[in-house]
Amino acid sequence: KAGVTQTPRYLIKTRGQQVTLSCSPISGHRSVSWYQQTPGQGLQFLFEYFSETQRNKGNFPGRFSGRQFSNSRSEMNVSTLELGDSALYLCASSNSGGSYEQYFGPGTRLTVT
Amino acid sequence: GNSVTQMEGPVTLSEEAFLTINCTYTATGYPSLFWYVQYPGEGLQLLLKATKADDKGSNKGFEATYRKETTSFHLEKGSVQVSDSAVYFCALLGWNDMRFGAGTRLTVKP
Repeated sequence: KAGVTQTPRYLIKTRGQQVTLSCSPISGHRSVSWYQQTPGQGLQFLFEYFSETQRNKGNFPGRFSGRQFSNSRSEMNVSTLELGDSALYLCASSNSGGSYEQYFGPGTRLTVT
Repeated sequence: GNSVTQMEGPVTLSEEAFLTINCTYTATGYPSLFWYVQYPGEGLQLLLKATKADDKGSNKGFEATYRKETTSFHLEKGSVQVSDSAVYFCALLGWNDMRFGAGTRLTVKP
């Protein structure tokens, strides 16, 4: 069974731009969660989608948004990028809404200059 | 709310040394507990898990026992290898709520 895939793997943007990251979960998994990982703050939960609905949301500004499609693929969007948004963005899928362990993708490394 | 506290690193050991990484948690109800490992440039990989008190999770020589009385889930390995060098995360899954510890970087020297 194929794992969680994330595209692109690396991205360089400038301040003020916006970016969209994509995540394809493991086949059959309906829950997708997004995390931001930085050296200073560690792993921070952004949001979780289950069956195209946002179920949980972390403490991030409204510039961070996401959506999930009917095939469970998910996208995350960050608008008006700031230098502090430079991070590894990880996507994780699970086969039920929060009740089972999560499987992570390799991440998208975003650098904001 | 739920939270996880794990020992701060970095931890540096010689090959074949014994490893312990401490993890304690605060949670309501009966959470599941996990250890994830992250190798350089990669995402997190599930290392082992335990879903109820006194369960022992094990994988690749690593072990951790779910201790409800001490709210702990310490990771142990009897003899580490250079290839075990990575960052280890303790995690807790409550109802619809996944929490991670800050991570502990392990470096194993030959």
